[in-house]
Amino acid sequence: SQQGEEDPQALSIQEGENATMNCSYKTSINNLQWYRQNSGRGLVHLILIRSNEREKHSGRLRVTLDTSKKSSSLLITASRAADTASYFCATDSGTYKYIFGTGTRLKVLA
Amino acid sequence: GAVVSQHPSWVICKSGTSVKIECRSLDFQATTMFWYRQFPKQSLMLMATSNEGSKATYEQGVEKDKFLINHASLTLSTLTVTSAHPEDSSFYICSARTGSPWREQYFGPGTRLTVT
Repeated sequence: SQQGEEDPQALSIQEGENATMNCSYKTSINNLQWYRQNSGRGLVHLILIRSNEREKHSGRLRVTLDTSKKSSSLLITASRAADTASYFCATDSGTYKYIFGTGTRLKVLA
Repeated sequence: GAVVSQHPSWVICKSGTSVKIECRSLDFQATTMFWYRQFPKQSLMLMATSNEGSKATYEQGVEKDKFLINHASLTLSTLTVTSAHPEDSSFYICSARTGSPWREQYFGPGTRLTVT
């Protein structure tokens, strides 16, 4: 399977804490994106990071990319109950097709 | 940002019938659309890539005669699940790609199919 791996599979934290989730992939990429999905709903695009970038920020989100290790991480700072969702990474290896990771289910407790 | 819609948002059908799901890019022209399938608590699996005016490219293991894809225009792609069976019950999500060189995709809200 070409699917990427994410860890942890599930994460439960208290409101205000930081949440970190990791994504590993198998092939060289052009870019990597992080998405959020609320239960039973569509995907919301969070951040796109290009292969020549190492870090990117967007509000409370920080994404890093290490192409030598074929891995990326998503950090959500000062988490809120509304951040409860599943988070997926998706990689594009230049074929215009995105391969999704297995996802991390985040639960933020109020 | 770019908006992609799907219709219907949910559908229940009887085993043996066919169901058509539409994916539309509302405010941009989509050169390429993608269809994904997602089982409960699992990730998205790419089913096929659809380019306007040409045949869809299916991923390994996806039956092209069962999942018919038509990309009739730059704003519309349809997925028809033919002779549906209960195991076809799933969440189907489409995405559309603009001409951006960075290949960002915009996802539809998904269609939940239940086959009884």
